[in-house]
Amino acid sequence: EAQVTQNPRYLITVTGKKLTVTCSQNMNHEYMSWYRQDPGLGLRQIYYSMNVEVTDKGDVPEGYKVSRKEKRNFPLILESPSPNQTSLYFCASQDRAQETQYFGPGTRLLVL
Amino acid sequence: GNSVTQMEGPVTLSEEAFLTINCTYTATGYPSLFWYVQYPGEGLQLLLKATKADDKGSNKGFEATYRKETTSFHLEKGSVQVSDSAVYFCALSESGGTSYGKLTFGQGTILTVHP
Repeated sequence: EAQVTQNPRYLITVTGKKLTVTCSQNMNHEYMSWYRQDPGLGLRQIYYSMNVEVTDKGDVPEGYKVSRKEKRNFPLILESPSPNQTSLYFCASQDRAQETQYFGPGTRLLVL
Repeated sequence: GNSVTQMEGPVTLSEEAFLTINCTYTATGYPSLFWYVQYPGEGLQLLLKATKADDKGSNKGFEATYRKETTSFHLEKGSVQVSDSAVYFCALSESGGTSYGKLTFGQGTILTVHP
């Protein structure tokens, strides 16, 4: 089954404790992206990657890092989480020939 | 820059009612337009799309027409069901045609359908 998976689905942490949210896709897509969803703001792009070892900032990259060492994986790293990063996070992937992005199930993060 | 504006929600309807969710956009080029749906506890999934002016996207009884003259992409359904209760997002892609790019989303509209 074609899918995008994220882990964990729910996470409660404290300010300053480094965390990683994993994202993996099994569709051999070149393009991957991270979004955060906040009430009244829709989804905003954090980082994206056009291919392995190619990443770039989206609209709200501050406080986040990403890496793309393999085509299927695109982890999101919060080096020192803060309460304003409490949000619902989605990973997505897209094939170069298509315009449809496939989304993971989301990771709900609470930073205390 | 690009932007998408959706009608304020939430929207509450009775089953079999007619649905319209308004969406207008601002873009510098010729974007592709999308409606994504998010069911409770799930990720977003594509509902329909249109890639050029006057195209009509349709799926599951939902329709939307790409109107360049009014920069709009309103979502409609003639008879909603309880199972249509979800959050609906209008979005555009920065790069039109077959190139891929960032999705710019509206703020989302919560739809609740009562029996």
